[in-house]
Amino acid sequence: TQLLEQSPQFLSIQEGENLTVYCNSSSVFSSLQWYRQEPGEGPVLLVTVVTGGEVKKLKRLTFQFGDARKDSSLHITAAQPGDTGLYLCAGRKPGGSNYKLTFGKGTLLTVNP
Amino acid sequence: GAGVSQTPSNKVTEKGKYVELRCDPISGHTALYWYRQSLGQGPEFLIYFQGTGAADDSGLPNDRFFAVRPEGSVSTLKIQRTERGDSAVYLCASSLLGSHSGANVLTFGAGSRLTVL
Repeated sequence: TQLLEQSPQFLSIQEGENLTVYCNSSSVFSSLQWYRQEPGEGPVLLVTVVTGGEVKKLKRLTFQFGDARKDSSLHITAAQPGDTGLYLCAGRKPGGSNYKLTFGKGTLLTVNP
Repeated sequence: GAGVSQTPSNKVTEKGKYVELRCDPISGHTALYWYRQSLGQGPEFLIYFQGTGAADDSGLPNDRFFAVRPEGSVSTLKIQRTERGDSAVYLCASSLLGSHSGANVLTFGAGSRLTVL
């Protein structure tokens, strides 16, 4: 059972465009993290969101945690080729030990120059 | 070291063989984790060490998989009688804080890509 559904699975855009990717679940999570993974590398943490409705910004990236803490979105403004990579969301279940992350399958983003 | 180091970066083996994958965590990190990432999937939890002991091995798929961390630093993931379905990238991560900290941040290594022919 895939607890975290990410969409779209693949996204190819031109440099300068805006985009949003989604991470959805029927389960509540105590926190949710977004990672970016480049080919041949491990996932690198971008952000952790904890509070329902929380919005965090990291330069051109805006992360939002849903009010019910079941979903999240990542919006990128004016995408650049350096944003290319696999974007993974990962959640921690309420009451669960916080090492045990449940990952989605990811959105593979390609930004063309 | 500066980051989590994993060796080998690539391992090709034949069905039925034994393999060992090594992880050298960030110096001072007491917690160590193994995840497995199959093609087109997100990482899946395998095992978590706090110090020398395996605090949670519930993600190990079967008894062909075993992991050790004898001195509380380097860890080795061991796979016996490998099967083609074991082919995946095996990721190691470490963290400074234990499992009960809300600020627990995992740093992942680049992974060991295992291919079983």
